[in-house]
Amino acid sequence: SYVLTQPPSVSVAPGKTARITCGGNNIGSKSVHWYQQKPGQAPVVVIYYDSDRPSGISERFSGSNSGNTATLTISRVEAGHEADYYCQVWDSSSDHPVFGGGTKLTVL
Amino acid sequence: QVQLVESGGGVVQPGRSLRLSCAASGFTFSNYAMHWVRQAPGKGLEWVALISYDGSNKYYADSVKGRFTISRDNSKNTLYLQMNSLRAEDTAVYYCARDNTKWGGGDPFQHWGQGTLVTVSS
Repeated sequence: SYVLTQPPSVSVAPGKTARITCGGNNIGSKSVHWYQQKPGQAPVVVIYYDSDRPSGISERFSGSNSGNTATLTISRVEAGHEADYYCQVWDSSSDHPVFGGGTKLTVL
Repeated sequence: QVQLVESGGGVVQPGRSLRLSCAASGFTFSNYAMHWVRQAPGKGLEWVALISYDGSNKYYADSVKGRFTISRDNSKNTLYLQMNSLRAEDTAVYYCARDNTKWGGGDPFQHWGQGTLVTVSS
Protein backbone atom coordinates (compact mmCIF):
# COMPACT_ATOMS: atom_id res chain seq x y z
CA SER A 1 0.00 0.00 0.00
CA TYR A 2 1.17 3.51 -0.80
CA VAL A 3 2.69 5.42 2.13
CA LEU A 4 2.70 9.17 2.70
CA THR A 5 5.15 10.63 5.20
CA GLN A 6 4.64 13.98 6.94
CA PRO A 7 6.66 15.61 9.73
CA PRO A 8 4.71 15.35 13.00
CA SER A 9 5.12 19.02 13.76
CA VAL A 10 6.13 22.32 12.23
CA SER A 11 6.57 25.55 14.17
CA VAL A 12 6.65 29.03 12.69
CA ALA A 13 6.60 32.59 13.97
CA PRO A 14 3.68 34.86 13.08
CA GLY A 15 4.13 36.59 9.76
CA LYS A 16 6.59 34.00 8.49
CA THR A 17 6.10 31.24 5.94
CA ALA A 18 5.27 27.66 6.92
CA ARG A 19 6.10 24.74 4.68
CA ILE A 20 4.65 21.31 5.35
CA THR A 21 5.98 18.42 3.32
CA CYS A 22 4.40 15.16 2.25
CA GLY A 23 6.74 12.47 1.00
CA GLY A 24 5.84 9.49 -1.15
CA ASN A 25 7.40 7.34 -3.83
CA ASN A 26 7.14 9.35 -7.05
CA ILE A 27 4.33 11.41 -5.51
CA GLY A 28 4.86 13.92 -8.31
CA SER A 29 2.98 11.53 -10.59
CA LYS A 30 -0.08 11.65 -8.34
CA SER A 31 -2.57 14.36 -7.45
CA VAL A 32 -2.25 15.60 -3.89
CA HIS A 33 -4.95 17.15 -1.75
CA TRP A 34 -4.37 18.99 1.52
CA TYR A 35 -6.77 19.26 4.44
CA GLN A 36 -6.80 21.52 7.48
CA GLN A 37 -8.36 20.15 10.65
CA LYS A 38 -8.97 22.16 13.80
CA PRO A 39 -9.83 20.52 17.13
CA GLY A 40 -13.29 19.01 17.22
CA GLN A 41 -13.96 19.75 13.56
CA ALA A 42 -14.06 17.76 10.36
CA PRO A 43 -11.23 18.26 7.86
CA VAL A 44 -11.52 21.03 5.28
CA VAL A 45 -9.83 21.05 1.88
CA VAL A 46 -7.34 23.90 1.57
CA ILE A 47 -5.50 22.75 -1.59
CA TYR A 48 -6.61 20.20 -4.17
CA TYR A 49 -4.97 18.72 -7.23
CA ASP A 50 -1.53 19.80 -6.03
CA SER A 51 -2.02 23.55 -6.22
CA ASP A 52 -5.65 24.54 -6.73
CA ARG A 53 -7.39 26.48 -4.01
CA PRO A 54 -11.10 26.09 -3.25
CA SER A 55 -13.23 29.18 -3.20
CA GLY A 56 -13.21 30.76 0.22
CA ILE A 57 -9.70 29.55 1.07
CA SER A 58 -7.14 32.26 1.69
CA GLU A 59 -4.58 33.04 -1.01
CA ARG A 60 -1.96 32.47 1.66
CA PHE A 61 -2.35 28.76 1.02
CA SER A 62 -0.46 27.30 -1.92
CA GLY A 63 0.82 23.91 -2.97
CA SER A 64 3.40 22.24 -5.16
CA ASN A 65 4.25 18.67 -6.06
CA SER A 66 7.33 17.24 -7.73
CA GLY A 67 9.49 14.16 -7.52
CA ASN A 68 9.04 12.48 -4.16
CA THR A 69 7.72 15.49 -2.23
CA ALA A 70 4.56 17.57 -2.17
CA THR A 71 4.56 20.80 -0.20
CA LEU A 72 1.85 22.91 1.38
CA THR A 73 2.96 26.50 1.88
CA ILE A 74 1.23 28.96 4.16
CA SER A 75 2.50 32.52 3.84
CA ARG A 76 2.21 35.27 6.44
CA VAL A 77 1.14 32.77 9.06
CA GLU A 78 -1.21 33.88 11.80
CA ALA A 79 -2.65 32.27 14.90
CA GLY A 80 -5.75 31.13 13.02
CA HIS A 81 -3.63 28.83 10.87
CA GLU A 82 -2.74 26.69 13.85
CA ALA A 83 -4.19 23.27 13.06
CA ASP A 84 -3.40 19.77 11.89
CA TYR A 85 -2.72 19.40 8.18
CA TYR A 86 -3.07 16.18 6.18
CA CYS A 87 -2.03 15.30 2.66
CA GLN A 88 -4.01 12.74 0.69
CA VAL A 89 -3.66 10.93 -2.61
CA TRP A 90 -5.61 8.23 -4.44
CA ASP A 91 -3.77 4.92 -4.55
CA SER A 92 -4.81 3.57 -7.92
CA SER A 93 -3.16 0.21 -7.27
CA SER A 94 -5.58 -0.53 -4.44
CA ASP A 95 -8.44 1.78 -5.44
CA HIS A 96 -8.68 3.78 -2.26
CA PRO A 97 -7.47 7.05 -0.76
CA VAL A 98 -4.40 7.30 1.43
CA PHE A 99 -3.77 9.96 4.06
CA GLY A 100 -0.48 11.16 5.41
CA GLY A 101 0.07 10.93 9.15
CA GLY A 102 -0.64 14.62 9.66
CA THR A 103 1.41 17.62 10.71
CA LYS A 104 0.60 19.83 13.67
CA LEU A 105 1.32 23.45 12.79
CA THR A 106 2.19 25.57 15.80
CA VAL A 107 2.33 29.35 15.57
CA LEU A 108 4.90 30.57 18.04
CA GLN B 1 -26.44 22.49 0.76
CA VAL B 2 -24.76 19.13 1.23
CA GLN B 3 -25.32 17.71 4.68
CA LEU B 4 -24.03 14.48 6.17
CA VAL B 5 -25.11 13.47 9.66
CA GLU B 6 -23.61 10.41 11.35
CA SER B 7 -25.24 8.54 14.20
CA GLY B 8 -24.98 5.26 16.05
CA GLY B 9 -21.74 5.76 17.94
CA GLY B 10 -21.32 4.88 21.58
CA VAL B 11 -19.51 2.66 24.05
CA VAL B 12 -19.33 -1.03 23.18
CA GLN B 13 -17.47 -3.97 24.66
CA PRO B 14 -14.69 -5.71 22.73
CA GLY B 15 -16.02 -8.41 20.45
CA ARG B 16 -19.44 -6.84 20.16
CA SER B 17 -21.07 -5.14 17.18
CA LEU B 18 -22.27 -1.67 16.30
CA ARG B 19 -23.91 -0.12 13.22
CA LEU B 20 -23.24 3.43 12.19
CA SER B 21 -25.51 5.46 9.92
CA CYS B 22 -24.91 8.53 7.82
CA ALA B 23 -27.98 10.46 6.67
CA ALA B 24 -27.37 12.47 3.52
CA SER B 25 -29.27 15.48 2.21
CA GLY B 26 -28.83 18.41 -0.16
CA PHE B 27 -27.67 16.31 -3.11
CA THR B 28 -28.70 13.27 -5.15
CA PHE B 29 -27.29 10.58 -2.87
CA SER B 30 -27.62 7.80 -5.44
CA ASN B 31 -25.20 9.58 -7.81
CA TYR B 32 -22.13 9.45 -5.57
CA ALA B 33 -19.74 6.98 -4.04
CA MET B 34 -19.35 7.31 -0.28
CA HIS B 35 -16.58 6.69 2.24
CA TRP B 36 -16.06 6.09 5.91
CA VAL B 37 -12.93 7.65 7.43
CA ARG B 38 -11.95 7.33 11.09
CA GLN B 39 -9.69 9.14 13.50
CA ALA B 40 -8.48 7.56 16.72
CA PRO B 41 -8.10 9.95 19.68
CA GLY B 42 -5.08 12.18 19.11
CA LYS B 43 -4.21 10.36 15.88
CA GLY B 44 -4.46 10.97 12.16
CA LEU B 45 -7.08 10.25 9.55
CA GLU B 46 -7.50 6.65 8.40
CA TRP B 47 -9.64 5.66 5.44
CA VAL B 48 -11.93 2.74 6.35
CA ALA B 49 -14.24 1.83 3.48
CA LEU B 50 -15.67 2.89 0.12
CA ILE B 51 -18.91 2.00 -1.60
CA SER B 52 -19.84 2.86 -5.17
CA TYR B 53 -22.95 4.84 -6.03
CA ASP B 54 -25.07 1.74 -6.56
CA GLY B 55 -23.50 -0.43 -3.88
CA SER B 56 -22.00 -2.85 -6.38
CA ASN B 57 -18.35 -2.14 -5.49
CA LYS B 58 -16.96 -2.08 -1.98
CA TYR B 59 -13.41 -1.65 -0.72
CA TYR B 60 -11.98 -1.90 2.77
CA ALA B 61 -8.84 -1.01 4.65
CA ASP B 62 -6.86 -4.09 5.64
CA SER B 63 -7.39 -3.19 9.31
CA VAL B 64 -11.15 -3.75 9.06
CA LYS B 65 -11.48 -6.25 6.23
CA GLY B 66 -13.64 -9.21 7.23
CA ARG B 67 -15.06 -7.39 10.27
CA PHE B 68 -16.70 -4.26 8.85
CA THR B 69 -19.32 -4.03 6.10
CA ILE B 70 -20.22 -0.86 4.25
CA SER B 71 -23.67 -0.60 2.67
CA ARG B 72 -26.16 1.97 1.49
CA ASP B 73 -29.89 2.42 1.03
CA ASN B 74 -30.41 4.89 -1.79
CA SER B 75 -34.15 4.98 -1.14
CA LYS B 76 -33.41 6.32 2.34
CA ASN B 77 -30.37 8.44 1.40
CA THR B 78 -28.43 6.64 4.08
CA LEU B 79 -24.97 5.11 4.31
CA TYR B 80 -24.15 2.40 6.86
CA LEU B 81 -21.14 0.82 8.48
CA GLN B 82 -21.73 -2.50 10.23
CA MET B 83 -18.86 -3.10 12.63
CA ASN B 84 -18.43 -6.59 14.06
CA SER B 85 -15.81 -8.14 16.35
CA LEU B 86 -14.84 -4.71 17.60
CA ARG B 87 -11.43 -4.18 19.13
CA ALA B 88 -9.98 -1.48 21.36
CA GLU B 89 -8.01 -0.17 18.38
CA ASP B 90 -11.29 0.56 16.56
CA THR B 91 -11.95 3.36 19.05
CA ALA B 92 -12.24 6.50 16.95
CA VAL B 93 -14.42 9.24 15.58
CA TYR B 94 -16.01 7.87 12.42
CA TYR B 95 -16.73 10.31 9.61
CA CYS B 96 -18.73 9.72 6.46
CA ALA B 97 -17.50 11.62 3.43
CA ARG B 98 -18.90 12.07 -0.04
CA ASP B 99 -16.82 11.20 -3.07
CA ASN B 100 -17.18 13.34 -6.17
CA THR B 101 -17.62 10.41 -8.54
CA LYS B 102 -19.88 7.39 -8.92
CA TRP B 103 -17.19 4.78 -8.40
CA GLY B 104 -14.63 6.45 -6.13
CA GLY B 105 -11.69 8.31 -7.60
CA GLY B 106 -9.05 10.96 -7.13
CA ASP B 107 -11.13 14.00 -6.25
CA PRO B 108 -10.76 15.50 -2.77
CA PHE B 109 -13.33 14.98 -0.04
CA GLN B 110 -15.20 18.28 -0.08
CA HIS B 111 -18.04 17.11 2.13
CA TRP B 112 -17.72 15.47 5.54
CA GLY B 113 -20.11 14.77 8.38
CA GLN B 114 -19.42 15.94 11.91
CA GLY B 115 -18.38 12.46 13.03
CA THR B 116 -19.64 9.98 15.60
CA LEU B 117 -17.48 8.60 18.40
CA VAL B 118 -17.11 4.86 18.87
CA THR B 119 -15.43 3.70 22.06
CA VAL B 120 -14.55 0.04 22.43
CA SER B 121 -13.92 -0.72 26.07
CA SER B 122 -14.83 -3.28 28.68
